[in-house]
This record gives sequence, structure tokens and C-alpha cells, in this order.
Amino acid sequence: AQTVTQSQPEMSVQEAETVTLSCTYDTSESDYYLFWYKQPPSRQMILVIRQEAYKQQNATENRFSVNFQKAAKSFSLKISDSQLGDAAMYFCAYRTQLQGAQKLVFGQGTRLTINP
Amino acid sequence: SAVISQKPSRDICQRGTSLTIQCQVDSQVTMMFWYRQQPGQSLTLIATANQGSEATYESGFVIDKFPISRPNLTFSTLTVSNMSPEDSSIYLCSVEDYGVYQETQYFGPGTRLLVL
Repeated sequence: AQTVTQSQPEMSVQEAETVTLSCTYDTSESDYYLFWYKQPPSRQMILVIRQEAYKQQNATENRFSVNFQKAAKSFSLKISDSQLGDAAMYFCAYRTQLQGAQKLVFGQGTRLTINP
Repeated sequence: SAVISQKPSRDICQRGTSLTIQCQVDSQVTMMFWYRQQPGQSLTLIATANQGSEATYESGFVIDKFPISRPNLTFSTLTVSNMSPEDSSIYLCSVEDYGVYQETQYFGPGTRLLVL
């Protein structure tokens, strides 16, 4: 079974600075998807960014980018120019490519605090 | 992406009672999912609900405790039966939307349940 590990329970960063959240995963599959979700105090799960394992190019979405290292099974999230609204729990998630097994496997989450 | 709503948004219930949570999507989707997020924890998949077939439950979750209905392609319900304080959690539904991003799950706002 696949597992996802986020080794940083909490992180903090100064507003306008850059922060990197770590995520590692374990799988024997070659094709899969990886995601970062954000959960602010409202508890809504919001998709931040996604990465297909077959793509070598790292995904980017405005201030958010990933460093996808397939061989190392690492999938870190970089947030540039941090803003107060970025404060939230961040969850890394894995999705298999296999049909009939589309569930997401989540890491334990990292609580990000933005210091003004 | 699909717009997903859940009812109720929160509830306080007495032990031994049951609560039915509704999930409504503004477009037709094949796959709907129900997750549980216990206090301070990550998300765990309860079951996958496909229209026209029985829900598929994950290990540790049973139909008698969490019956699910999926009467059409835009609606699903999750019932939490014979509740105990251990059922106090946030319950989230999600769908896979083949709009901008394929094979990506989008989440409803969640139902916060407290069992006394």
C-alpha cells in the first residue's frame, strides 16, 4: 500500500519570504498523481497544485511550485512571496493511476504560520 | 471545477442517534468519495460511491455504520449511524472532475459533527 509522509508538523515563515514544505511517499507504481491541498481554518480543502508522475517538468501555479524527484520519491512544495492568506494546514496526497482505486492517500499535514 | 455543497455544515448530536449528510454537485460526476477527518488528523477515505452500484468501503469502515446512497450523478448521502463521541469528526465529500484537471478530486466544504 502507498504511504505519504510529511515530516514537518509545523513550519513558520515571514511574510514575503519563501518556504518549502516536504513530502515523501512510498509506492511501487510508475504512473501516479501527486497533489498539495490547503486547508485553512474554514476546513475547506483547496487544491493548490498537482503533478503527473510521467511528467519531468515541475508543476507551477503562480507563487506555488513543486520540486518533484521521482527517483527519491520526494514531492516538496515551495511557496514564494508568502502572504498572510497562505496560513493553513497543507496536505500532500497520492493518487494511483489504477482504475477502480482512485482514492487519495494523505500525509499527516504541515501547519504553516505566516508571521507579519 | 465542480461546485460542491454539503448539508448540514455542522451539527451536535446525542450518542445513539444517526445523522445523514448530503452532498450535492452542480454537474454530473461519476466518482464521489466520502472522507473522515478526526480532530487534529489527516483525511481518511470511508468509501467510494458510484451511481447505480453499491458503495465500496475501505478497511475499517462498514456499511451498517456508514450507509451511503448515490441515487443519481449529482447527489450522494452518508449516514453516520448509532453515533458515539468517537464519531466526532469533519466529514467531507469529494468528486473527480474532468474539467481543467483530469483525475483530480475537489472537495465540498465539509460537515463538522460533534457527538455528545
